[in-house]
This record gives sequence, structure tokens and C-alpha cells, in this order.
Amino acid sequence: DTAVSQTPKYLVTQMGNDKSIKCEQNLGHDTMYWYKQDSKKFLKIMFSYNNKELIINETVPNRFSPKSPDKAHLNLHINSLELGDSAVYFCASSPYQQAMNTEAFFGQGTRLTVV
Amino acid sequence: GDSVTQMEGPVTLSEEACLTINCTYTATGYPSLFWYVQYPGEGLQLLLKATKADDKGSNKGFEATYRKETTSFHLEKGSVQVSDSAVYFCALSTSNTGNQFYFGTGTSLTVIP
Repeated sequence: DTAVSQTPKYLVTQMGNDKSIKCEQNLGHDTMYWYKQDSKKFLKIMFSYNNKELIINETVPNRFSPKSPDKAHLNLHINSLELGDSAVYFCASSPYQQAMNTEAFFGQGTRLTVV
Repeated sequence: GDSVTQMEGPVTLSEEACLTINCTYTATGYPSLFWYVQYPGEGLQLLLKATKADDKGSNKGFEATYRKETTSFHLEKGSVQVSDSAVYFCALSTSNTGNQFYFGTGTSLTVIP
């Protein structure tokens, strides 16, 4: 059973296109995240949702729009893709702050390549 | 703000050598501390964690001790194997804004036979 699953695993697309990455967790967690990992492996938080509400929105172009239809899903939609968007995008989940000693669980990542 | 500073890599070691990857943190309050490992082509997996001062986390021969006095959480292993080749991330979590995780820059480890 996959705890945090993302689809697709690989995504190759042309500049200017719009694409979505889906994420689902079956851990019953309240909080979900999107991270971007660049070519140097640096992990940057993009968004965090708690129970479908946005709680962290780092400096990310507004071409990136997260959507959380329920607390088990957090999808990432990207408009007008640019070359600089090429990266690996990770979804993660964790319990909310009352259980802050628990780690975040990560998906396998989506490698996005914009050509 | 809260942050993690991690030893830069890459690190290359021979099999059976000792490993130390330094990690220091800045945080308000009492964070939990974590080491994650990322094997090639995979997502991040929790390696070990410690939730309060003087706690020692351990897993797969790796250890790290939560040192409040030096705000450190260094990762150590006495004898590395080729299969330990991966990228290692130090991280902390606080409850300042939900359950937010801060990651270090990652340290790439290559173990050669």
C-alpha cells in the first residue's frame, strides 16, 4: 500500500503548456505539502494545506495553483510552463501540529521536464 | 526564522570508512529533528528522528543525537557500505505555522568499494 502517491512519475511537456500533478495520501493526515527539488537537490517548500485550507504559500509564481478537493488529495496545476519549472516535485503529508513529533511522508516525486 | 545548515558535499568514502555529516539548526521553541535519505530516483525516506534534547535517533547503523547546547544533530555511521550511497537531508519541524518542515541543502554521499 502506497502511503503518498503522485502521478505521473515523469512528465515531459513543451513550454507554454498547462499541466497537473496529482497527489493522494491514505495515511489520514491533515496536512499536505508540495516541495520543489532543483538539479542541486535543494528542497524548497511551495505550499502547505491543512484540512483543505492553505496555510503556507511561499514565493511561487501565480502560474502554480494548488487545489485540495479533500484532505487526502492535493493537486498542483501549472499554467504556461517555463523552462525554469523543470525540476522534481514532491508531495508530502504529515499529521497536524498537535502531533508535531511525527515525520513527513513523501511521495516518489514527479520529474517535470519542460522543453 | 527557523533554519537548518548542513555540511556541503559531495562526500566520497571508501567502504567501511566512518561517516559524519554535520547539521546545525536555528529554531524558536523546541523543534523535532530528522534525517531523511534519498536514494537515486526515489523520494525522501525517514532515516531517523529525535524529538527532544539528548534523544538519540538510530536506524540501519546510523545515529544522531539531539544536542540543544550546540544546536546540532550530526549524522554518524561507523562503517559505511556501498548501499549507503544517497543524498542525506537534515530537517526540523516546528509548530509555529502548522507542522512546517525545514530542510537542509542535502549532502550527497558516494561510497566506493
